[in-house]
Amino acid sequence: GDQVEQSPSALSLHEGTDSALRCNFTTTMRSVQWFRQNSRGSLISLFYLASGTKENGRLKSAFDSKERRYSTLHIRDAQLEDSGTYFCAAEESSGSWQLIFGSGTQLTVMP
Amino acid sequence: ETAVFQTPNYHVTQVGNEVSFNCKQTLGHDTMYWYKQDSKKLLKIMFSYNNKQLIVNETVPRRFSPQSSDKAHLNLRIKSVEPEDSAVYLCASSHRGNYAEQFFGPGTRLTVL
Repeated sequence: GDQVEQSPSALSLHEGTDSALRCNFTTTMRSVQWFRQNSRGSLISLFYLASGTKENGRLKSAFDSKERRYSTLHIRDAQLEDSGTYFCAAEESSGSWQLIFGSGTQLTVMP
Repeated sequence: ETAVFQTPNYHVTQVGNEVSFNCKQTLGHDTMYWYKQDSKKLLKIMFSYNNKQLIVNETVPRRFSPQSSDKAHLNLRIKSVEPEDSAVYLCASSHRGNYAEQFFGPGTRLTVL
């Protein structure tokens, strides 16, 4: 089965609302990275976490430091420009440097 | 500008042809990667490479091969393309070692007719 399970697969929000994306890992991961893919296909790195939480503006991400088997991305006060596809990606603890990607969340923010 | 650069942006070719995609990073990283994103937007690692070690995903067909002239460049060659190779190919780079954030290029979209 998939090592990285991302949910939801699609999400529609009204402007100004809050929501969260989640990734579960079937095994312990060394680190997690969250990306947004824009309409041109570019993968923009939002957060890189080896543990704990990070916050940047209206976005906040957390990586469970104990079990190291799930991560979340919180979006506060959603704006139209937040629309896009969001991916989580994790690096296995074996240290292969390779990222294992979730299947993505298609986020649509509506007026 | 420091970033990961890829050329071409798009490439259309016919079954059986050979193609080569270029990737260059100016971030001073020592490890580079190629990922494939299919029509369902699923992203999978193909190769990771630094000057000492190449790691190949076992699912990658042998017609794919990475080519590196120095640590700032990692090109992707496909010897004889197949229809299922149609996808977006994304190059990335990072520092080697623990806890290395990866940065991605804009991708090359390949269409095989």
